[in-house]
Amino acid sequence: EDKVVQSPLSLVVHEGDTVTLNCSYEVTNFRSLLWYKQEKKAPTFLFMLTSSGIEKKSGRLSSILDKKELFSILNITATQTGDSAIYLCAFSLGATNKLIFGTGTLLAVQP
Amino acid sequence: DGGITQSPKYLFRKEGQNVTLSCEQNLNHDAMYWYRQDPGQGLRLIYYSQIVNDFQKGDIAEGYSVSREKKESFPLTVTSAQKNPTAFYLCASSSRELTGNTIYFGEGSWLTVV
Repeated sequence: EDKVVQSPLSLVVHEGDTVTLNCSYEVTNFRSLLWYKQEKKAPTFLFMLTSSGIEKKSGRLSSILDKKELFSILNITATQTGDSAIYLCAFSLGATNKLIFGTGTLLAVQP
Repeated sequence: DGGITQSPKYLFRKEGQNVTLSCEQNLNHDAMYWYRQDPGQGLRLIYYSQIVNDFQKGDIAEGYSVSREKKESFPLTVTSAQKNPTAFYLCASSSRELTGNTIYFGEGSWLTVV
C-alpha cells in the first residue's frame, strides 16, 4: 500500500527563520511529486518534481526530490507571516492517474 | 471561465441523513476526485473517476458513494453509514496527463453533523 508521511506535523517559527519540511514516501510507480500550499480553501500549486537531485526554486521556496532515499524536502527561507499554511506533498500515480496526498505540515509563522 | 464548482459551501446534516455534495467542471477533464480533509491534516482520497461511467474507491470510501453519469459532474453522497462525516470536502479534476498545474480544485464544502 502506498504511504506518504510528512514531518513535522506542525511547526511554529518566527519571521525570518528558515524552515525545512519533509515528505517521506513508500510509493511505487509514480509519475511526479507535487507540493501544494493550502491557506483556507483549495490548495495552490507550488512545485512539480519528476527527477531526483534537481532543485526547483521559486523566490524564497525551493524543493528537491531524492528517489534513492525516498523523500522530498521543501525549504522556505526568510519566512513571512503570509507563509502560514498547511503544506501538502502529493503523488500522481502513473498507471491509475490517481493522486494521493501526504499527511500535511501545518506551519505557523509568528511576527 | 473554466473551473470547478462545488456546492453547497456549508452544509449541516442531522444524524441518519444522507447528503449529496455537488461537483461540476467545465474544463473537459477526464479525471475527477473527491478528498476529505480533517482540521490541520492532509487530504485523504475518497473516490476517483478516470472516465465517464467508471469510478474507483480511494482509501476511505466506506460510508460514501459517487456516480459519474456525465463527464462534467461527479457528485458525492455522504450516507448515514459514515460514522464521522464532519469534515471539509474537496473536489478536483485533471486531464489525463496529470501534471502539477493542470489539477484544478474546487473551493470546498464544509459538512457539519448536528
